[in-house]
Amino acid sequence: DTAVSQTPKYLVTQMGNDKSIKCEQNLGHDTMYWYKQDSKKFLKIMFSYNNKELIINETVPNRFSPKSPDKAHLNLHINSLELGDSAVYFCATRDRGNTGELFFGEGSRLTVL
Amino acid sequence: SQQGEEDPQALSIQEGENATMNCSYKTSINNLQWYRQNSGRGLVHLILIRSNEREKHSGRLRVTLDTSKKSSSLLITASRAADTASYFCATDGSSNTGKLIFGQGTTLQVKP
Repeated sequence: DTAVSQTPKYLVTQMGNDKSIKCEQNLGHDTMYWYKQDSKKFLKIMFSYNNKELIINETVPNRFSPKSPDKAHLNLHINSLELGDSAVYFCATRDRGNTGELFFGEGSRLTVL
Repeated sequence: SQQGEEDPQALSIQEGENATMNCSYKTSINNLQWYRQNSGRGLVHLILIRSNEREKHSGRLRVTLDTSKKSSSLLITASRAADTASYFCATDGSSNTGKLIFGQGTTLQVKP
């Protein structure tokens, strides 16, 4: 059983489209994150939810909207996709409040043409 | 910004040699963590060192932390071809926001 699973793994779409990436965890962790990794492997935090509540919202265009329907799921919806949105998006989870290690999913590679 | 910087950006060594990667950061921290990322995969946690610790070992990994210099190093001893990956340091700020900030990573290639 995969602890943190993301779907889809690959997503190729046209500029202007709207797409979603889903994340599910079976670790029972309270906190979930979205990170964006660019082509230079730089990882930037985007959002964090703790028990369905948004707690971190970095300077991200409001075309990006996270949604956490329950503690085990955190989805990322992106409107009006732009070329610069092409990246690998990682979901991660964390236990023990705000300390401790992150558990990452395998990533969702988004390519915007 | 708390952003960590890693050095070198890329490192190529022969199997059996030791690999040392360095990480510097800017603000005070609760802990510092090291992660590994194989090509096309997610990040995997390697080791966590708290701000009141100076050195930690895990198998062939040795991590040091110098909070006065705001720097850490990761040493991989007796490297293997399977150690080929990117390695990232990440800092957990002392303000306890839960925000783990990653460095830019070091790409390690271990030649058989």
